[in-house]
This record gives sequence, structure tokens and C-alpha cells, in this order.
Amino acid sequence: GQQLNQSPQSMFIQEGEDVSMNCTSSSIFNTWLWYKQDPGEGPVLLIALYKAGELTSNGRLTAQFGITRKDSFLNISASIPSDVGIYFCAGLLLSGGGADGLTFGKGTHLIIQP
Amino acid sequence: NAGVMQNPRHLVRRRGQEARLRCSPMKGHSHVYWYRQLPEEGLKFMVYLQKENIIDESGMPKERFSAEFPKEGPSILRIQQVVRGDSAAYFCASSPPSLGVSSGETQYFGPGTRLLVL
Repeated sequence: GQQLNQSPQSMFIQEGEDVSMNCTSSSIFNTWLWYKQDPGEGPVLLIALYKAGELTSNGRLTAQFGITRKDSFLNISASIPSDVGIYFCAGLLLSGGGADGLTFGKGTHLIIQP
Repeated sequence: NAGVMQNPRHLVRRRGQEARLRCSPMKGHSHVYWYRQLPEEGLKFMVYLQKENIIDESGMPKERFSAEFPKEGPSILRIQQVVRGDSAAYFCASSPPSLGVSSGETQYFGPGTRLLVL
């Protein structure tokens, strides 16, 4: 089955630093999504990417859909304490019948040191 | 516009009992997805449903697990004769009808049901 390799597994950064994380796949995807999950909650959608090469921003977040359709990255600029959490990439390959389930990476734990 | 609703948020069952997890999609959404998340892991797709139809159940165990999305009411994920390995967080997501490439694939998640099997 499809697998996503997400890295890094965890990041320890200082407040104000920029953050970069990425996902790679052995398979192509039609859609890449980035989610953030806080403890005890469901994933919250941050950015959705639908076209190869697409670069999309949402405030301090920027994500890109790789040209090969096998990778994506997420950047967070000027991190703040509320950025702490687990970030997941997810890919979707549309089947003939419509949208199917997302394939998730294992997550990047973002920890901000005081 | 309320988000995806799931209940209960926490469910404790003894081995051999049945677990019923409910999901109400966002208003206007007709596609429902169920995922399972183990601690320190990403979410794993289980099943995709539209009203009264199971579209893709490739991620759901063949035995003891079933899902439905009736014409009226919430979607139900049912686990019969639960075992300790079923302990996990179960998330429901919904998406609107596909109107084009850029609209139907974005899935919005509920807060999850945390199942603990004793």
C-alpha cells in the first residue's frame, strides 16, 4: 500500500525560529493536505494543495506540492508557543469512484523551548 | 456551521462487549470517512461511506467491524466483541460532494472517540 515518510519525527526549536518539515512518498498523489493535531483533539486542516508545483500560504504557514507529486513540505515562519503540536501530512489519490481515504504520515512533533 | 460531531468522546468497554461510535458530518457534507489512530502514530483509513452506501472499506478489518451511514441520522462505526487491541482513537471526517478537483477531497475531522478496552 501507499506509505508516506514524514520527517523529522520531532523538532525542538526556540520561539521565533522558522520550521520546516516534509513528506515523501513512493506513490504519486493528486492532493496533499497538512493537518495539526493537539492532544485529545482531532486533526485540524491547515493547508490543502491540489496541483503539482502549487505553493500555498496560510498566515505564517507555507506549503508546496512537489512537481513529481510524490512530496510536499510545510514551513512555519517565526514560530510562537501555540504552534506546539503534532503536524501530519496526508495524501489522497483519487480513484475512479471519487475521493477515498487519506494516507497519513506518522507526524512531526513540534516542541518550542522557552 | 457546526463542525463534525462525534460521540461519545470517551468509551470504555470490557473485552467481548460491543462498541458503537457515532459521527454526524458537517452540514452539507455527504461523504464520511472513519480512521483509527494508535498512540504515537498517524491516522489509518478504515472506511469511506456515502448515504446508504459503503464506497471503500479496504482499511477495515473483515471481522467484528462494520460501518453504516443511513439515510437519516449519523454514521455508525460498530465494533463487536471488542478486544484490547481495539483500544485506539477513532476519528470521523467528512467532505462535501465532489463538484470538481479542488472541492471534494478536503476532509474535515471530528474530535474523535477514544475507546479503551479493559
